[in-house]
Amino acid sequence: EVQLVQSGAEVKEPGESLKISCKTSGYSFTNYWIGWVRQMPGKGLEWMGIIYPGDSDDRYSLSFRGQVTISADKSTSTTYLQWSSLKASDSAMYYCARRSRTTKSLEYWGQGTLVTVSS
Amino acid sequence: EIVMTQTPLSLPVTLGQPASISCRSSQSLLHSDGNTYLSWLQQRPGQPPRLLIYQVSYRFSGVPDRFSGSGAGTDFTLKISRVEAEDVGIYYCTQATQSDTFGQGTKLEIK
Repeated sequence: EVQLVQSGAEVKEPGESLKISCKTSGYSFTNYWIGWVRQMPGKGLEWMGIIYPGDSDDRYSLSFRGQVTISADKSTSTTYLQWSSLKASDSAMYYCARRSRTTKSLEYWGQGTLVTVSS
Repeated sequence: EIVMTQTPLSLPVTLGQPASISCRSSQSLLHSDGNTYLSWLQQRPGQPPRLLIYQVSYRFSGVPDRFSGSGAGTDFTLKISRVEAEDVGIYYCTQATQSDTFGQGTKLEIK
């Protein structure tokens, strides 16, 4: 069974760093792209970027390039989303999702990680 | 960036009645490989999104057959033949032909 399990909710202050995780199981981790999606409170879905764990090829949407870093650890079948300096506007729910190799659809989703940034 | 525009943004529907959501892209979603990478997602309240339809018209595993997708080029439609209570939520179209973008979402509620 394919599973994506995300790390728990985080409460941080502006300027702090953060790394959230998406641990996968039930399939070959290195053979599928994993994407990250932001959902701000009461808003829609926003594409952030994607990584191919096989070679760590990563791509970012224009809105998020330089704002976050996506990485992958093959030894633990886990992908990460990190910030070096959080802002209040980073407060949101973040989802990881596995992309199908053939249909490019986001087939399997994590449960989400809620990030709250407040002083 | 390809912009995805959904209509309507709010969709009140009577139980048992059909529902239809439109999604229009700012550019053709026909990829050079001949495929059209347009999907539909459902997000129930308090839940992560769930894949319903991929490549315009194919239902994902476990999706009831009351959901169907159609369209080509820049115009696409999601239809629910008979709305049930569990269908309440927000529906998003999304494209992966050129990078990835989402529509604004359509909120389906029971009238």
